[in-house]
Amino acid sequence: AQSVTQLGSHVSVSEGALVLLRCNYSSSVPPYLFWYVQYPNQGLQLLLKYTSAATLVKGINGFEAEFKKSETSFHLTKPSAHMSDAAEYFCVLSNAGGTSYGKLTFGQGTILTVHP
Amino acid sequence: DGGITQSPKYLFRKEGQNVTLSCEQNLNHDAMYWYRQDPGQGLRLIYYSQIVNDFQKGDIAEGYSVSREKKESFPLTVTSAQKNPTAFYLCASSKVDIRDGYTFGSGTRLTVV
Repeated sequence: AQSVTQLGSHVSVSEGALVLLRCNYSSSVPPYLFWYVQYPNQGLQLLLKYTSAATLVKGINGFEAEFKKSETSFHLTKPSAHMSDAAEYFCVLSNAGGTSYGKLTFGQGTILTVHP
Repeated sequence: DGGITQSPKYLFRKEGQNVTLSCEQNLNHDAMYWYRQDPGQGLRLIYYSQIVNDFQKGDIAEGYSVSREKKESFPLTVTSAQKNPTAFYLCASSKVDIRDGYTFGSGTRLTVV
């Protein structure tokens, strides 16, 4: 079975500080991994994705994530937080084959708060 | 611009009623999905469809039904058998190759009154 664990349901940072949102996964096959962002009462927007190419992936709005197979992690970072980054972030895993083809497993989400 | 349209944005249902949530996409995606979102529980898969006229139950299909008569459309019916339907419902679509991820609609908030 595959799973995603996001460490910390709430993260608070000051504007201009480093953003680090942690994600660990479990998968029996090579995974595809994604980070999505959700603003209140809206759908989810894709930030970035790892699909077995470069292990350091860059996304929109200055976010990036590094795939570390040895640590089964895919943490999301941004060097300097903006007020507009306040939202909920989801780490998402896809089992790339088998009967679960195309289905995603979502982490529980991390709400990011940015203080002035 | 291509995308997914969910309607209505807000929906109120009386107990014992069935309601249908609309989801339409013009991305030419083969696969479509319905998720339910509750605070603190992440997203849970209700139903998904990878091809017209075929769909599979997800993790929480009880009390819900779907149809996929057209590639562009994947409506979800919340039946009176669903004991706790108040939630935020998200529709998504994808290519069969999942490497591009999902595209999500903007959601429908359903409230039982």
